[in-house]
Amino acid sequence: NAGVTQTPKFQVLKTGQSMTLQCAQDMNHEYMSWYRQDPGMGLRLIHYSVGAGITDQGEVPNGYNVSRSTTEDFPLRLLSAAPSQTSVYFCACRSGQGSEQYFGPGTRLTVT
Amino acid sequence: KQEVTQIPAALSVPEGENLVLNCSFTDSAIYNLQWFRQDPGKGLTSLLLIQSSQREQTSGRLNASLDKSSGRSTLYIAASQPGDSATYLCAVDQYGNKLVFGAGTILRVKS
Repeated sequence: NAGVTQTPKFQVLKTGQSMTLQCAQDMNHEYMSWYRQDPGMGLRLIHYSVGAGITDQGEVPNGYNVSRSTTEDFPLRLLSAAPSQTSVYFCACRSGQGSEQYFGPGTRLTVT
Repeated sequence: KQEVTQIPAALSVPEGENLVLNCSFTDSAIYNLQWFRQDPGKGLTSLLLIQSSQREQTSGRLNASLDKSSGRSTLYIAASQPGDSATYLCAVDQYGNKLVFGAGTILRVKS
């Protein structure tokens, strides 16, 4: 089992460009989440989903969109990239409410 | 709003020492608390999960305690090894679907 996979590993964007960060899991977990990690700060929740077709906002949702059409995939879309979105992005999944969370390896995004 | 603080921010110890990492949170109405390890440039690895009804959890040389009423958790690492060098993150799960993280403690174990 691959667990949680994220692509790409690294990405450089210019201000105003859009892109999609991919996340896939083969653990058949219902819950999936996106976090960003900035230097000196803990991870912050962007969006999360408790099942296919259900998404909700986290702490820092502005500038990001998500959708969940299948259990396995949870892509994160940057609509118009800004330098403030330079960060490391982590996708995570868990089997249900309050269960252990598993993280992907991360995508390092730089916006110039 | 839940806030999670980890002290110290960084710690350097000689190999073989026992050590304690601290985590505090402002809202005691939590679902559970998780401790993670993060190696440089890598994702997070779950170490221990303590449910709100539990007082502690153990895994090998690691022991995590939880005192909900005082808003504190500690991660105890026994007989530290250079391979334990990493960033340790504490995260509070308030509703069972959202984690709030501390900024982490950077641990260096010197051989």
